[in-house]
Amino acid sequence: NAGVTQTPKFQVLKTGQSMTLQCAQDMNHNSMYWYRQDPGMGLRLIYYSASEGTTDKGEVPNGYNVSRLNKREFSLRLESAAPSQTSVYFCASRTDEPTDTQYFGPGTRLTVL
Amino acid sequence: QQQVKQSPQSLIVQKGGISIINCAYENTAFDYFPWYQQFPGKGPALLIAIRPDVSEKKEGRFTISFNKSAKQFSLHIMDSQPGDSATYFCAASYNQGGKLIFGQGTELSVKP
Repeated sequence: NAGVTQTPKFQVLKTGQSMTLQCAQDMNHNSMYWYRQDPGMGLRLIYYSASEGTTDKGEVPNGYNVSRLNKREFSLRLESAAPSQTSVYFCASRTDEPTDTQYFGPGTRLTVL
Repeated sequence: QQQVKQSPQSLIVQKGGISIINCAYENTAFDYFPWYQQFPGKGPALLIAIRPDVSEKKEGRFTISFNKSAKQFSLHIMDSQPGDSATYFCAASYNQGGKLIFGQGTELSVKP
């Protein structure tokens, strides 16, 4: 069981470039999430997917798009990267109730110059 | 804006001491309050969680105290160890797809 995997681990982009962050889980969870982590701000939800085929905005969706490719995979796309998107990005998947636990991947550290 | 406010931002405790981290929330609809632990370079991992029908939950050296009327909850780490040095996040959610609202985080350092 790999749990939640994310690629790449590190990425440097120039302003205006695009990229896709990949996430996959092997725990057969329905719900998946994308967060960004910035110093002093905790983790903030970008987008989430409650089930295959559905996605919805979180707290900070501007500048991002997502695709729930299948039950395992949930990708995050930056169409035109900006320096304000420099952050550490975490993907998570969630068990259903009653345990209601989110399992996080190892993160992608993104720098936009 | 739904918020969860966490304090202190950083905490230094001697080995064997008690670490206490506090969180306050605004939305009375929240019904799930987890604490996550994060080591450098890793993703957060669930440490312990509580629902508002109980006032306290204990798992080993970790205890959550919950005060519904004050809209506050706290994490107590008894007999703190250097291996507990990490960043701790409180969070809250309610029945909308499990979306978590996180606090700002507390960097705990336990000195030997």
